[in-house]
Amino acid sequence: LAKTTQPISMDSYEGQEVNITCSHNNIATNDYITWYQQFPSQGPRFIIQGYKTKVTNEVASLFIPADRKSSTLSLPRVSLSDTAVYYCLVGDPAYNNAGNMLTFGGGTRLMVKP
Amino acid sequence: DAGVTQSPTHLIKTRGQQVTLRCSPISGHKSVSWYQQVLGQGPQFIFQYYEKEERGRGNFPDRFSARQFPNYSSELNVNALLLGDSALYLCASSYISGRAGSNEQFFGPGTRLTVL
Repeated sequence: LAKTTQPISMDSYEGQEVNITCSHNNIATNDYITWYQQFPSQGPRFIIQGYKTKVTNEVASLFIPADRKSSTLSLPRVSLSDTAVYYCLVGDPAYNNAGNMLTFGGGTRLMVKP
Repeated sequence: DAGVTQSPTHLIKTRGQQVTLRCSPISGHKSVSWYQQVLGQGPQFIFQYYEKEERGRGNFPDRFSARQFPNYSSELNVNALLLGDSALYLCASSYISGRAGSNEQFFGPGTRLTVL
């Protein structure tokens, strides 16, 4: 069971780059790493997903070292609207079974200040 | 296209009662997962259903049950409600491509259950 660990909170300022790291020491071979963003009273929203190395999309980058025991979500030039909770998720719905549950981390509360 | 829909949006029950929550996945998605999110914590996995069969179950008591219908919608049932069952219940759907990885989950807005 791949448990994840993230910082509880982070503060940043508008325009800065924010890096949030997630530890997942027991990640399984078939597991992917997915990051979600959640605003209060809303369901989580997919940000990015990766298996190894680096993945980039229009909103974020995801860095995964060769041992895959951690990952770093990078948000370039954050704005006030990026204030939210960010979750690291390890698993893969395609291979989910009784011994491979999808596990959210505790989440990182990002506060972006003006 | 409509996203994942859940009903009801809010629900108030008393201890010992039973509750049924409903979820309709995105059209074409055959996998539905249920999560419980207690205030201030991350979502906790309850069930995953795919093609009407249970594919995974989290660490929840047997009071929690679910099913998936031929149209891939799903219901989550909770019996003998406890105060600790008060939470936001989230449903997520995904398209299972049959290959490894990249099966993004799309979450609904959730049902806020309050047990008094």
